[in-house]
Amino acid sequence: QQQVKQSPQSLIVQKGGIPIINCAYENTAFDYFPWYQQFPGKGPALLIAIRPDVSEKKEGRFTISFNKSAKQFSLHIMDSQPGDSATYFCAAPPYGNNDMRFGAGTRLTVKP
Amino acid sequence: EAGVTQFPSHSVIEKGQTVTLRCDPISGHDNLYWYRRVMGKEIKFLLHFVKESKQDESGMPNNRFLAERTGGTYSTLKVQPAELEDSGVYFCASSTMPGTEAFFGQGTRLTVV
Repeated sequence: QQQVKQSPQSLIVQKGGIPIINCAYENTAFDYFPWYQQFPGKGPALLIAIRPDVSEKKEGRFTISFNKSAKQFSLHIMDSQPGDSATYFCAAPPYGNNDMRFGAGTRLTVKP
Repeated sequence: EAGVTQFPSHSVIEKGQTVTLRCDPISGHDNLYWYRRVMGKEIKFLLHFVKESKQDESGMPNNRFLAERTGGTYSTLKVQPAELEDSGVYFCASSTMPGTEAFFGQGTRLTVV
């Protein structure tokens, strides 16, 4: 069932570093690419999302880069902080639907 | 505005028992989804309700799982009888429309022993 492949599984960076998390999808019907952030004991929360008509979207320190031809998208966290330590999931739902296909998650640790 | 709430937050049951999980979506959200995450794996789609109707239940693992949403408000997910492989975190999410932001509950951690 997995149609979204996410890497790496875990990532450790120093404060101020720029962690990059990558996702690759298979189904070309996908047209909405959200990233979710999850803290322990909480449910995933939408962080940032992009549609395929643009190649990049920035919201604060978070940037999504999207490569439609390669069917890949990535999350960059600028000037990472210890408070960014969480599990990040990429997802891609088929058009007009929300039965999203999630990646396996990336556990990010930002060291002080 | 209250978010999506799930009950219980944790449940430990023995193999063969029955467990019922509950989800209260955000008021006014017609779309309700159930997902499951098994340790270290991706979050897998189980089921999508639009109001009280099952829009898509292609992710339900087998007939031991029964989801309902009577009246189009809260939803329940019953597992009967539970097996060891049913252990995981069950998430519920709701949205106003498909293809828009889905709001997740905190999840129910189910452990079958």
